[in-house]
Amino acid sequence: EVQLVESGGGLIQPGGSLRLSCAASGFTISSNHVTWVRQAPGRGLEWVSVSYSDGSTYYADSVKGRFTISRDNSKNTLYLQMNSLRAEDTAVYYCARVSWGGYWGQGTLVTVSS
Amino acid sequence: QAVVTQEPSLTVSPGGTVTLTCGSSTGAVTSGHYPYWFQQKPGQAPRTLIYDTSNKHSWTPARFSGSLLGGKAALTLSGAQPEDEADYYCFLFHSGALVFGGGTKLTVL
Repeated sequence: EVQLVESGGGLIQPGGSLRLSCAASGFTISSNHVTWVRQAPGRGLEWVSVSYSDGSTYYADSVKGRFTISRDNSKNTLYLQMNSLRAEDTAVYYCARVSWGGYWGQGTLVTVSS
Repeated sequence: QAVVTQEPSLTVSPGGTVTLTCGSSTGAVTSGHYPYWFQQKPGQAPRTLIYDTSNKHSWTPARFSGSLLGGKAALTLSGAQPEDEADYYCFLFHSGALVFGGGTKLTVL
């Protein structure tokens, strides 16, 4: 069974850093496209970053230069390193597999506030 | 970056049929955009209904179907049920990026 479990969210001050993790099971992340998507309170889904099976990565303009997506294939885990956090980064962050179907985690809440 | 457009809201009668669409500012949506459709209910994570234009998951009710229609990706619901009331999002693969539409709020009334 495919599962994705996010962790690492919490309350962080503006300008701070946070690293989110997404532990995958039931499939191998290195062979799939995996992505981070966020949803601010009361808003729609916003794509953040993607890591393709060929190793290439892409970022939304809103996070480029501040966020970094990476994978630890030995742990079958996806990460999102978030630096220089802003209030507008406050959202539930979801990881999802978007190859040969779409599978979502339950999300982790990141709140950027002083 | 491309902009993906969806109807902000639609209403369908119970048992009725409705089509939601997903368009791109760069031109016609094709199978090469690998359109995905998601359903999201309040307080829940999104759930994928359709991937790669028309493929269904095992949990996708048979009343949902995906296609390309008039240069857009389309999600058709035939025989709407009260439990289909939800927000529906599409996304397209665009030059490496994933671009979400703004979502359609579907009311079954």
